[in-house]
Amino acid sequence: AQTVTQSQPEMSVQEAETVTLSCTYDTSESDYYLFWYKQPPSRQMILVIRQEAYKQQNATENRFSVNFQKAAKSFSLKISDSQLGDAAMYFCAYRSAEGGGNKLTFGTGTQLKVEL
Amino acid sequence: DTGVSQNPRHKITKRGQNVTFRCDPISEHNRLYWYRQTLGQGPEFLTYFQNEAQLEKSRLLSDRFSAERPKGSFSTLEIQRTEQGDSAMYLCASSLVYEVQDTQYFGPGTRLTVL
Repeated sequence: AQTVTQSQPEMSVQEAETVTLSCTYDTSESDYYLFWYKQPPSRQMILVIRQEAYKQQNATENRFSVNFQKAAKSFSLKISDSQLGDAAMYFCAYRSAEGGGNKLTFGTGTQLKVEL
Repeated sequence: DTGVSQNPRHKITKRGQNVTFRCDPISEHNRLYWYRQTLGQGPEFLTYFQNEAQLEKSRLLSDRFSAERPKGSFSTLEIQRTEQGDSAMYLCASSLVYEVQDTQYFGPGTRLTVL
């Protein structure tokens, strides 16, 4: 079974600064997808960014980018020019692409605080 | 595109009662998922449907839980004889199997409190 580990329960960043959230995962599969979701205090989960394992190029969405290291099974999220609206719980998630089902396996989350 | 909707948003019930939650997926999404999230944890998969067929169930889904998606559109999740351990946020998500990466989009959730 796949597992996702987020070792940082909480992180803080100053507004306009850059922060990196860590995520590692364990799998024996070679084809899969990885996601970062954001869950603001209102509790609705919002997709931030996604990455296909077969792509070597790191995904980027505006101020959000990932550092995907397949061999190390690492998938970190970098938030540049942090804004107050970035404050939320961030979840890393894994999904198999090898017929192992379509469920997402989530980490325990990292609470991001953005300070003025 | 109105997004995934869930009703009710909050439900308080007494132990032993039955509760039912509803999820309306994004229009034309053919996959629908249910997750449970307890405080301080990430969501845990419960079950998913493709159209009206229930294709996978987690072992977390005890025999007190049942989910349906009768016409391949909305879904209901019923919990019978609720227990205090059932208190959690129940999240629904939907996806379109033909979309790249089959990305799941989540609803706001139903918060269940069992007294």
